[in-house]
Amino acid sequence: NAGVTQTPKFQVLKTGQSMTLQCAQDMNHEYMSWYRQDPGMGLRLIHYSVGAGITDQGEVPNGYNVSRSTTEDFPLRLLSAAPSQTSVYFCASRLGRNEKLFFGSGTQLSVL
Amino acid sequence: RKEVEQDPGPFNVPEGATVAFNCTYSNSASQSFFWYRQDCRKEPKLLMSVYSSGNEDGRFTAQLNRASQYISLLIRDSKLSDSATYLCVVGAGGSYIPTFGRGTSLIVHP
Repeated sequence: NAGVTQTPKFQVLKTGQSMTLQCAQDMNHEYMSWYRQDPGMGLRLIHYSVGAGITDQGEVPNGYNVSRSTTEDFPLRLLSAAPSQTSVYFCASRLGRNEKLFFGSGTQLSVL
Repeated sequence: RKEVEQDPGPFNVPEGATVAFNCTYSNSASQSFFWYRQDCRKEPKLLMSVYSSGNEDGRFTAQLNRASQYISLLIRDSKLSDSATYLCVVGAGGSYIPTFGRGTSLIVHP
């Protein structure tokens, strides 16, 4: 049982480049989400999904797109990377509303 | 007022000390409560869920006070390896989205 698998672990982009952060879970979780974590800011929700075909915006959605075509996968797309998107990104999933969250191992992204 | 508040610390304690953290929440409809541990630039990992009756896991004890709307984490006999940031996570029953505190930093020194 792999849990939440997040790739890549590290990425360096140039301003304006695009990329996709991958997230997959094998626990049949309804809820999946993406967070970013910056020093002194805590975890901030970017986008989330409560099931295949259903996505919604979190606290800081600008500059990011998501889709949920399957229960397992929830990729995060950066359309045109900006230095302000330099951060550590975490994918997380949970089975239901009051269940514990499981996190991926994180992606350290630098945008130059 | 923030929905979930934690003292950021750092709490600087010697090995063997007992240390306690509190986390206050503002939504009285909150139904699920968790403590997570996060090491520097690593993913948060579940330390323990918090139940109404309180619960213990080895050196760690978690309590919930619904009347005053806070949860607590007590760490006994602190180890160097307990140094980390401790995140409080609160979920309201009607929402999928949990609310995170910003974390409390613990430093255990020899």
